[in-house]
Amino acid sequence: DADVTQTPRNRITKTGKRIMLECSQTKGHDRMYWYRQDPGLGLRLIYYSFDVKDINKGEISDGYSVSRQAQAKFSLSLESAIPNQTALYFCATSESGNSPLHFGNGTRLTVT
Amino acid sequence: QKEVEQDPGPLSVPEGAIVSLNCTYSNSAFQYFMWYRQYSRKGPELLMYTYSSGNKEDGRFTAQVDKSSKYISLFIRDSQPSDSATYLCAMVRNTPLVFGKGTRLSVIA
Repeated sequence: DADVTQTPRNRITKTGKRIMLECSQTKGHDRMYWYRQDPGLGLRLIYYSFDVKDINKGEISDGYSVSRQAQAKFSLSLESAIPNQTALYFCATSESGNSPLHFGNGTRLTVT
Repeated sequence: QKEVEQDPGPLSVPEGAIVSLNCTYSNSAFQYFMWYRQYSRKGPELLMYTYSSGNKEDGRFTAQVDKSSKYISLFIRDSQPSDSATYLCAMVRNTPLVFGKGTRLSVIA
């Protein structure tokens, strides 16, 4: 089983809909992250969490919200999806601030 | 100037070639340096993780860090078609990682 699991793997939704992307991990890491990846723009940080009570905005948090339900679960919500949120979304975990990230296999989101 | 610069390629080489991938950075506070490999429709996976200046070797892969020049490299020896992927550099010091945009590599059999 994957250490970092993202669901769903693919999602197509319409403009204005609220959707949630889910991430769970079995690595026992406290730190969790959400990134989006777009062609030519690379990986951009949306939100990150150092523990259940700690949530921080990344460089592109507008239009997104997150929930850290437990050490192992970190969800990303799009309150009202728009077409330019069409992207590949990755969840990741790390053991500490200088540790490598461990990524899930991503959710491909299409907003029509 | 962006914190991390990486040539996006694409880079196309014949099988067996030596590949050199590079990143430059502007923040001298970065202390830890990483290379990730990402296959299509997959998440990035860690290839190399280094702390100090110098070389680190793992099989066909060598990571090189030159802190004085703010320059890191990944060398792939005897490249294989299975090495075809996007390679991302990343670096950090007590913050979330900062990534380069990735270089797309194709190794042609």
